[in-house]
Amino acid sequence: GENVEQHPSTLSVQEGDSAVIKCTYSDSASNYFPWYKQELGKRPQLIIDIRSNVGEKKDQRIAVTLNKTAKHFSLHITETQPEDSAVYFCAASMGGATNKLIFGTGTLLAVQP
Amino acid sequence: SAVISQKPSRDICQRGTSLTIQCQVDSQVTMMFWYRQQPGQSLTLIATANQGSEATYESGFVIDKFPISRPNLTFSTLTVSNMSPEDSSIYLCSVLIASDEQYFGPGTRLTVT
Repeated sequence: GENVEQHPSTLSVQEGDSAVIKCTYSDSASNYFPWYKQELGKRPQLIIDIRSNVGEKKDQRIAVTLNKTAKHFSLHITETQPEDSAVYFCAASMGGATNKLIFGTGTLLAVQP
Repeated sequence: SAVISQKPSRDICQRGTSLTIQCQVDSQVTMMFWYRQQPGQSLTLIATANQGSEATYESGFVIDKFPISRPNLTFSTLTVSNMSPEDSSIYLCSVLIASDEQYFGPGTRLTVT
């Protein structure tokens, strides 16, 4: 069935360094790829998304890239800060319907001050 | 975005009983979803709550176990029926804003003893 693989499962960086989280999806019809940040005990928050007609999108310190041919997409966080510490989930739309999402397994990011 | 609330925020229930979780949005939304997040795990879509008709369930989830109602465009309920300890999870509703952006409620933490 459809699935989304996410790596790494944990990532520890020093404050100010960059962090990269990678996801691979299986459904070639997927066309919407959001990223969520979930702090401990809180709800997942949408932080950035990208659609299949775009290769890269930036929002301040975060950026997402998409390679549809390889079915890869990645989250890049630059100049990391301790408040970036959280679990990050990638997701991909199921088939041609952008509103049904399948989530990756999550990456625990720890930013060391 | 929208303001999304859930009730209860947490509950401890005995096996064999049922719990109904409510999701309320402060504006009309076209689509609402229910997810399950088992401890330390990712999010799994249970079903799409359809206004005025039966919910659409994902593989592995059935109406008898997880009956869903959506009487209008701002409210939905999910019932977890005949609970067992394996049902201990966080249950989250989400709503679709704009064409494909999903925003989550705060979640209901369920513990079954």
